Amino acid sequence: DQQVKQNSPSLSVQEGRISILNCDYTNSMFDYFLWYKKYPAEGPTFLISISSIKDKNEDGRFTVFLNKSAKHLSLHIVPSQPGDSAVYFCAASGWSSGDKLTFGTGTRLAVRP
Amino acid sequence: DADVTQTPRNRITKTGKRIMLECSQTKGHDRMYWYRQDPGLGLRLIYYSFDVKDINKGEISDGYSVSRQAQAKFSLSLESAIPNQTALYFCATSDPTGGLETQYFGPGTRLLVL
Repeated sequence: DQQVKQNSPSLSVQEGRISILNCDYTNSMFDYFLWYKKYPAEGPTFLISISSIKDKNEDGRFTVFLNKSAKHLSLHIVPSQPGDSAVYFCAASGWSSGDKLTFGTGTRLAVRP
Repeated sequence: DADVTQTPRNRITKTGKRIMLECSQTKGHDRMYWYRQDPGLGLRLIYYSFDVKDINKGEISDGYSVSRQAQAKFSLSLESAIPNQTALYFCATSDPTGGLETQYFGPGTRLLVL
């Protein structure tokens, strides 16, 4: 079963507008969440994370929101730039998973100039 | 120089062949991982090692084996490759002492099994 889901395989956004990428999880024992960005021919790179004791974490243009009751997190990119075009993976970790990461299926973001 | 390197970057092999994918890291991390990425399935964990003497199966270990030759080296073997092992393979490392489960990935190995 897919414990971490990204239901939108792709997203297209105009440059300068907001990009919102969503992620849902089913395991209530997850307590740490991360977003990774992946460019073609490269490995995923860490982007931003959030602990379950917070509901928001911000780093420059990137903000992650966590709604624990809904088991939902989202990544907001404002303003979106063409260089943000990549595949974004959310991942979750927790004591029950032995600190291993469980990844979502990814969302391909295209930012149009 | 890259912190996590993988060799080869691309490989074509035939069904039934044995193949080894290698991973080296210069980050000094104890923990290393092997993942595969398939379209629509994200990254799935094959094997992981929390130190040289600790090897563990991930969610999809069947058909694979690993060897942790040193802290810096972690190899993945396909004993008898089959076409559904065609995928993009990633090695990753992490350092739990930093308090965050953040993993650092290599550039990937694209494997095609004919």
